Amino acid sequence: DAGITQSPRHKVTETGTPVTLRCHQTENHRYMYWYRQDPGHGLRLIHYSYGVKDTDKGEVSDGYSVSRSKTEDFLLTLESATSSQTSVYFCAISGRRPSLGDTFGSGTRLTVV
Amino acid sequence: GEDVEQSLFLSVREGDSSVINCTYTDSSSTYLYWYKQEPGAGLQLLTYIFSNMDMKQDQRLTVLLNKKDKHLSLRIADTQTGDSAIYFCAESIHNTDKLIFGTGTRLQVFP
Repeated sequence: DAGITQSPRHKVTETGTPVTLRCHQTENHRYMYWYRQDPGHGLRLIHYSYGVKDTDKGEVSDGYSVSRSKTEDFLLTLESATSSQTSVYFCAISGRRPSLGDTFGSGTRLTVV
Repeated sequence: GEDVEQSLFLSVREGDSSVINCTYTDSSSTYLYWYKQEPGAGLQLLTYIFSNMDMKQDQRLTVLLNKKDKHLSLRIADTQTGDSAIYFCAESIHNTDKLIFGTGTRLQVFP
């Protein structure tokens, strides 16, 4: 998607290992979000950021941490991956103009074995 | 608490109209959104409605909002096979920077 890139697109990792997912934006938007998508649950907010070094928890933040040292990058870290964290992870950005909604990345499919 | 509900599946014939329904709980929501997700892709904003509106039309898309019943619907006229996707409604939570998403409705269009 234009202006927002997630990496990697796919990852398989072992239980207990740390994993970091990256979200990079070129829109200079203040707000960035990490969601996970699971069947029957829609999208659930993990963490979000409203500026450099300003982050807050979402509804499913346990087992995850985030960092935002630059406007353009928002990192999601699974401190010790578990099988329940197998999911598709989406990053979103927002300029906080409600009529534009949020712009989503293409997602990272993470499998924890 | 905040909760957004949608039916899981909808199947329609090509050329017919599709109506996807959503109920939400936060009566102070300022904007409500409809997103489309195609296989293997992220969510794409389709349309939105401001909470003081009852209806919004955008080409083949019509959004209806019933604030009293906290009910939102998306009507797609002349549904095409390219409309097959998962559709999510979302509400903005007043005085927060967050959206709450529904569980998504999978629309299948058959010839």
